[in-house]
Amino acid sequence: EVQLVQSGAEVKEPGESLRISCRCSGFDFTSYWIAWVRQKPGKGLEFMGIIYPGDTETIYSPTFRGQVTISVDKSARTALLDWNSLQVSDTATYYCARRLYSTGWHWFDPWGQGTLVTVSS
Amino acid sequence: SSELTQDPAVSVALGQTVRLTCQGDILRRFLASWYQQKPGQAPRLVMYAENNRPSGIAERFSGSHSGDIATLTVTGTQAEDEADYYCNSRDNNGIHMFGGGTKLTVL
Repeated sequence: EVQLVQSGAEVKEPGESLRISCRCSGFDFTSYWIAWVRQKPGKGLEFMGIIYPGDTETIYSPTFRGQVTISVDKSARTALLDWNSLQVSDTATYYCARRLYSTGWHWFDPWGQGTLVTVSS
Repeated sequence: SSELTQDPAVSVALGQTVRLTCQGDILRRFLASWYQQKPGQAPRLVMYAENNRPSGIAERFSGSHSGDIATLTVTGTQAEDEADYYCNSRDNNGIHMFGGGTKLTVL
C-alpha cells in the first residue's frame, strides 16, 4: 500500500526553527516527485514546492522560495520541510503528496494526513 | 495568466447534476486534476487526466476539458459529495497551482 505518513502537530514560537517530515512507503521513493502544500485555517490549498528524490531537483513556488527549504533523506524514504525562523503567518496545515505523471497530465496521489503547525507567542 | 479560477460556492439539490469549472490559460497546455476535501480531512484525488477516476471514486464523478476550461461533473449528487473541490495544474516551469476552491453544498 502506498502511504505518506507525516510527523505530528507542532507548536512553536516566532523565530524558532522547525522541520516536519513525510515518510513514504509502498513505492520507489526515488522515482516520484513529492510536493508540499500549505493550507491556512479556513483557506485554500497553496502549492509550496516539489522535489525529486532521485536527484534532489527542487522547484519552489515563487511565494515560498527563500522562505522554506525542501529536502529528502533517501535512506529514510522521507521528504522534509524546514523553516529557519517561523512567523505567526506560517500557522497552517502542511500536506505532502506524491505526484504522478503522464504526458501532459500531472496529479497528486496519495496525500499525507497533514501536519498542523501553530506559531504563537 | 498563471492562475486557476473557480467559483467560490455552488449549491445543488440532492440527486441533481452539478458542474464545477476551473479556468486558466495553463489548462491549454497541461490538463487539470481535481481534489475533494471534507472538513478536517486531507485532500483526496477524484479526477485526473481529463476523465480518469482513481479507484474508489464513484462513477457519478466525471471530467472534461475544452480550451482553457476544465469541468468536474457530479451526476446524481449525493449528500456525501458536499465538500470543497480544488483543481490543480502546472505551468511550463514545473510550478503547480491550485484554484481557489469551490465549496459544494448539497441541498
